[in-house]
Amino acid sequence: QITLKESGPTLVKPTQTLTLTCNFSGFSLTTGGVAVGWIRQPPGKALEWLANIYWDDDKRYSPSLKSRLTVTRDTSKNQVVLTMTDMDPGDTGTYYCAHRPCSGDNCYFDYWGQGTLVTVSS
Amino acid sequence: DIQMTQSPSSLSASVGDRVTITCQASEDIKKYVNWYQQKPGKAPKLLIYVVSNLQTGVPSRFSGSGSGTDFTLTISSLQPEDIATYYCQQYNDFPYTFGQGTKLEIK
Repeated sequence: QITLKESGPTLVKPTQTLTLTCNFSGFSLTTGGVAVGWIRQPPGKALEWLANIYWDDDKRYSPSLKSRLTVTRDTSKNQVVLTMTDMDPGDTGTYYCAHRPCSGDNCYFDYWGQGTLVTVSS
Repeated sequence: DIQMTQSPSSLSASVGDRVTITCQASEDIKKYVNWYQQKPGKAPKLLIYVVSNLQTGVPSRFSGSGSGTDFTLTISSLQPEDIATYYCQQYNDFPYTFGQGTKLEIK
């Protein structure tokens, strides 16, 4: 059974750095084709993809946020960590991590964490 | 970035109705589109992957179709538990992008 859970601060101040951890179980991030993605959602708005980290430690970032994002993994702990620098009130929202398998060309986010709401305010 | 435009943005329908949501990509994304359902306060749930493949456990009243730039999610007979917001997502190219969502309500 695959599960993911995000954790981190609920409140950060503008200009601070956000660090979120995704703890997962039921799969290995060293299995070919597997990735963990980060997706966020401002209150009442649409989903926005932020980044993927892959089984081979490759990473892909949203170009609009690339300068502010870093994603890393600890395969021994089954953890993925997202850091976002220079936080702004516009970054307020729910942050999700999700399991992304690929079988051939078939890629999708099939298991999601419950999400963690991050508010950026002074 | 590839823009995914969903229509309508909101929809009110009666139980038993056939409901169709469309998603138009700003360029050819071949078959690389997925659909998600999100209920209030919950994480998105994968419904359909790669245009028309039903995720395990998803009721057969959900179906998907399309290719290239135009895609459709259909609910053949709307049920009360289908009240949610629906999102399309493309993965033909980075960055992955989602549609703006279609909020489905019961009339």
